Amino acid sequence: EDKVVQSPLSLVVHEGDTVTLNCSYEVTNFRSLLWYKQEKKAPTFLFMLTSSGIEKKSGRLSSILDKKELSSILNITATQTGDSAIYLCAVRKGFQKLVFGTGTRLLVSP
Amino acid sequence: DGGITQSPKYLFRKEGQNVTLSCEQNLNHDAMYWYRQDPGQGLRLIYYSQIVNDFQKGDIAEGYSVSREKKESFPLTVTSAQKNPTAFYLCASSIGGGPADTQYFGPGTRLTVL
Repeated sequence: EDKVVQSPLSLVVHEGDTVTLNCSYEVTNFRSLLWYKQEKKAPTFLFMLTSSGIEKKSGRLSSILDKKELSSILNITATQTGDSAIYLCAVRKGFQKLVFGTGTRLLVSP
Repeated sequence: DGGITQSPKYLFRKEGQNVTLSCEQNLNHDAMYWYRQDPGQGLRLIYYSQIVNDFQKGDIAEGYSVSREKKESFPLTVTSAQKNPTAFYLCASSIGGGPADTQYFGPGTRLTVL
């Protein structure tokens, strides 16, 4: 059975801290791994990773995929209160299907 | 404005009633999807459609039905056969196919069964 596991389930940090969110997967026919941020309603797309070892970066956020370890990490440096959200990891298998993890709930306190 | 719209935002249903959730996109995307999100669980795929007049069951299709008569629209009907329909429903769309295909989400509909 396909599985995507995220850790930790929830996290509370202070503004300015650096956080690392983890995603591990066991999915047949892996195509890519995606990260989304969900603040209140619609998840918004952050990154798509297809190749191992190549870091994707956007401002204070970065992510990398390790296909050997079947995992990915999402790093957020110098966190701000606006980073408070649920971060979702999803693995694309085959043509269209995404398998989602349960998410990591991040709270950044001022 | 390009994007995905879902309506209504909130929906209350009595047991035994069918309800239809609307999803419209003006992104000219071929593929559309319906997911269900429950507290403490990841998004789960209900149905998806790669092209007009075609759709496939996802992982939890029982008690749901869809249609895809127009490229822009992919309505979801929650039937009385769905045993636990209270959830947050998200619609998504993507260009369709290709290794870089990315799904973009609408704002969601929260359905509560009274």
